Amino acid sequence: QAGLTQPPSVSKGLRQTATLTCTGNNNNVGDQGAAWLQQHQGRPPKLLSYRNNNRPSGISERFSASRSGSTASLTITGLQPEDEADYYCSAWDSSLSAWVFGGGTKLTVL
Amino acid sequence: QVQMVESGGGMVQPGTSLRLSCAASGFTFSSHGMHWVRQAPGKGLEWVALISYDGSDRYYADSVKGRFTISRDNSKNTLYLQMNSLRTEDTAVYYCARAHAPDYWGQGILVTVSS
Repeated sequence: QAGLTQPPSVSKGLRQTATLTCTGNNNNVGDQGAAWLQQHQGRPPKLLSYRNNNRPSGISERFSASRSGSTASLTITGLQPEDEADYYCSAWDSSLSAWVFGGGTKLTVL
Repeated sequence: QVQMVESGGGMVQPGTSLRLSCAASGFTFSSHGMHWVRQAPGKGLEWVALISYDGSDRYYADSVKGRFTISRDNSKNTLYLQMNSLRTEDTAVYYCARAHAPDYWGQGILVTVSS
């Protein structure tokens, strides 16, 4: 099953802004939007945003999501050391009847 | 609070079977679909299967279709994954997660398939 496309790595400086991208198609991201998850090493993933920019309670406003066509984006402002993690996008694919994930982006905070 | 605890993992030989369980608490289990998602060592997340809130609809990744079966017992607040004909490439940490986002995740359980 085809997945979503994410850049393997992004590096930004402390207190800077990072924008992570996730490209799909009209059957997944372009249809119902994407969810974004954060995963620290050795820990289960944590949901940051779903259906483009709905944040679960407790998630910092520094994390915001958006979508343009079939590309979803996660913007993290005021980067902190604890933001260094792997970030995954995911979405339901209506043509495959399957949930799909991106390959993940490793964010490094310099 | 929402909690999900996986069990049933371990080391098995190729071609054998294993059943994972996921005990859920802190929410109305029977109102939510549930996922199984896995992560091979050093790799990204891979969706495995999804079951609807009442078990009437089930969806599988191509990589496990015909070998794995997702099921649930709403009276026990428990999700299952029956894994048959296991292959070395099924080695991974297996997570259960609440659908659809998926928003809440268990801690994961390691399954190692090796001869």
